[in-house]
Amino acid sequence: AQKITQTQPGMFVQEKEAVTLDCTYDTSDQSYGLFWYKQPSSGEMIFLIYQGSYDEQNATEGRYSLNFQKARKSANLVISASQLGDSAMYFCAIYLYTGGFKTIFGAGTRLFVKA
Amino acid sequence: EAQVTQNPRYLITVTGKKLTVTCSQNMNHEYMSWYRQDPGLGLRQIYYSMNVEVTDKGDVPEGYKVSRKEKRNFPLILESPSPNQTSLYFCASSPTSGGAYEQYFGPGTRLTVT
Repeated sequence: AQKITQTQPGMFVQEKEAVTLDCTYDTSDQSYGLFWYKQPSSGEMIFLIYQGSYDEQNATEGRYSLNFQKARKSANLVISASQLGDSAMYFCAIYLYTGGFKTIFGAGTRLFVKA
Repeated sequence: EAQVTQNPRYLITVTGKKLTVTCSQNMNHEYMSWYRQDPGLGLRQIYYSMNVEVTDKGDVPEGYKVSRKEKRNFPLILESPSPNQTSLYFCASSPTSGGAYEQYFGPGTRLTVT
C-alpha cells in the first residue's frame, strides 16, 4: 500500500537558519506528484511547493526548495533563512494517478522557530 | 475572491443524528475532495470527485457519503454519526484531476459527536 512517512514529529530551528523536513514515500507507481503544505496554528492549509515524479530539477519556491531523490523515494523540504512565521505544522503529500486519483498525506512535522 | 467555503465551521451533535457538511468552490474546479484530520495521523482522504457525477472512495470512506450533482458543490453526509467521527474535516478543490496542481482547502469544519 502506498504511504508517506514523516519521521520528525517535532523540530526546532534557530531563526535565520535553514532547516530540512524529511519525507519518504512508498509507491510502485511511476507517475505521481509530491506536495508540501503548511498548517499554521490558525488551522488553514497553505500550499508550499510541488514536484512531479518526472521533473528532473528540484522544485523551488522562494525560501522553499524540495530535495527530490527519486531512487531513494524521498522528497525533503528545505526552508532557508527560517522566520518566526514559519512555526507551523508541515505536511508532505503524494498524489497518485493510477488506480484512482488519490492523495495520501503524512502525519506531519511540527516546526518551532526560536528567536 | 477565489475560495472554498464550508458550513458549518463548528458542529456538536449526538450519535445517530444525520448531518451534512456543505462544501462549495467558486473556481470552476473539476476535482474536489474531503479529508479528515486527526492528531498524529495527518489528513486522510475520505472521498474525492473528478467531476460531476464521478466520485470515488479515498482511504477512510466508511460511515460517509458524498454526492456531486453540480460542479461547485460537494457535500459530505454522515447518515448515522458515531463518536469516532469526531474530527476536523477539510474540503479541497483543484483545477483538474491531472495532479500537477495544488489543492485549495476550505477553512475546516470541527465536528464533535457525543
